[in-house]
Amino acid sequence: DIQMTQSPSTLSASVGDRVTITCRASQSISSWLAWYQQKPGKAPKLLIYKASSLESGVPSRFSGSGSGTEFTLTISSLQPDDFATYYCQHYNDYSWTFGQGTKVEIK
Amino acid sequence: QITLKESGPTLVKPTQTLTLTCTFSGFSLSTSGVGVGWIRQPPGKALEWLAIIYWDDDKRYSPSLKNRVTITKDTSKNQVVLTMTNMDPVDTATYYCAHSITIPAYMDVWGKGTTVTVSS
Repeated sequence: DIQMTQSPSTLSASVGDRVTITCRASQSISSWLAWYQQKPGKAPKLLIYKASSLESGVPSRFSGSGSGTEFTLTISSLQPDDFATYYCQHYNDYSWTFGQGTKVEIK
Repeated sequence: QITLKESGPTLVKPTQTLTLTCTFSGFSLSTSGVGVGWIRQPPGKALEWLAIIYWDDDKRYSPSLKNRVTITKDTSKNQVVLTMTNMDPVDTATYYCAHSITIPAYMDVWGKGTTVTVSS
């Protein structure tokens, strides 16, 4: 099974900061990676698919990059609405694996 | 507009079988490429993918739960049903269903989730 490891587990940042979250796969997954945002008590929301494609309606301050085993989600200028938990997810034809999540907190 | 809604019991006893229904609108599960998946999240923990069913009735299951989980669809009712046998307190979680239009499938629209507690 492919394992997905996110870092850090928790991140403290201020409004306006540039924030980067890393997701590493235990083996190459090409670009089959999605990023989701989840707020307390709410369902996850798709932000990025295929490693770097921005989902329609998602603000352009969110961006994704990477391929193979290392991926990043970047928020260029953190906004109050962005304080949440972020999950990466590997997907392919036969398995789907989430990372353990990164909580972005107010500093 | 695509919407999905999960329904089912909020409380089940250990060893019982859980049956959850995902009722959706705004798309057809007979359209090529469409899939509906189930994901769960124990309280305070990470998301865990459970199963997915595609328009052509192809199904995929989490290897760790493969022997306990079954996913089926009723295209005429716009529903997908997940059954999980031999429920245990560790299966206490919020269960989500979600839509996909691509292969491989990422989940682009999610239901609000339904909370299931396993306790005697």
